[in-house]
Amino acid sequence: SQQGEEDPQALSIQEGENATMNCSYKTSINNLQWYRQNSGRGLVHLILIRSNEREKHSGRLRVTLDTSKKSSSLLITASRAADTASYFCATDGLQGAQKLVFGQGTRLTINP
Amino acid sequence: DTGVSQDPRHKITKRGQNVTFRCDPISEHNRLYWYRQTLGQGPEFLTYFQNEAQLEKSRLLSDRFSAERPKGSFSTLEIQRTEQGDSAMYLCASSHPPIDGYTFGSGTRLTVV
Repeated sequence: SQQGEEDPQALSIQEGENATMNCSYKTSINNLQWYRQNSGRGLVHLILIRSNEREKHSGRLRVTLDTSKKSSSLLITASRAADTASYFCATDGLQGAQKLVFGQGTRLTINP
Repeated sequence: DTGVSQDPRHKITKRGQNVTFRCDPISEHNRLYWYRQTLGQGPEFLTYFQNEAQLEKSRLLSDRFSAERPKGSFSTLEIQRTEQGDSAMYLCASSHPPIDGYTFGSGTRLTVV
């Protein structure tokens, strides 16, 4: 079974609004990553947050990590139609970053 | 080198046939991964190479699946005696620590009819 679970499974908002997606995981991790996937395409790496970090920013993205609750959130500010995609969180295990375990994703739709 | 390349983009095959997919990673990346993704789900790990060594295989990788990475460069994933349940997107990714994150290819979509 997959480690990460995203919430909500689908989110539809108006352009310009902020979008927040949540991810929960089960085991201890080295880092947590967020990826974006446009329909029928490969995944694009957005941001990585390490287990000793609590918050990280990249452009319009803000990621938080709460290791005590085993959860993370991805905030996209001032959304654009081009942000329409599926967003996945992925975690690696303490044994090393040999592989990532992905959640089921959040399908984000930005309405113009 | 513009990224991870996968070939073919789409493959339709009849049940029982063998198929082979190719992945060309970013040249300086020593780690290569294969994932499978079905509709509405996240990618599931299949196998991982460091250089030419296959270091981990998922339980999802039945004996009909085999992957190679000769000389630590490109990789191939072969599925023998395909079944309808093999229909999925097969994704390849590469990485090279300490670079953050994976670089994914666009995937090969397999349809078994």
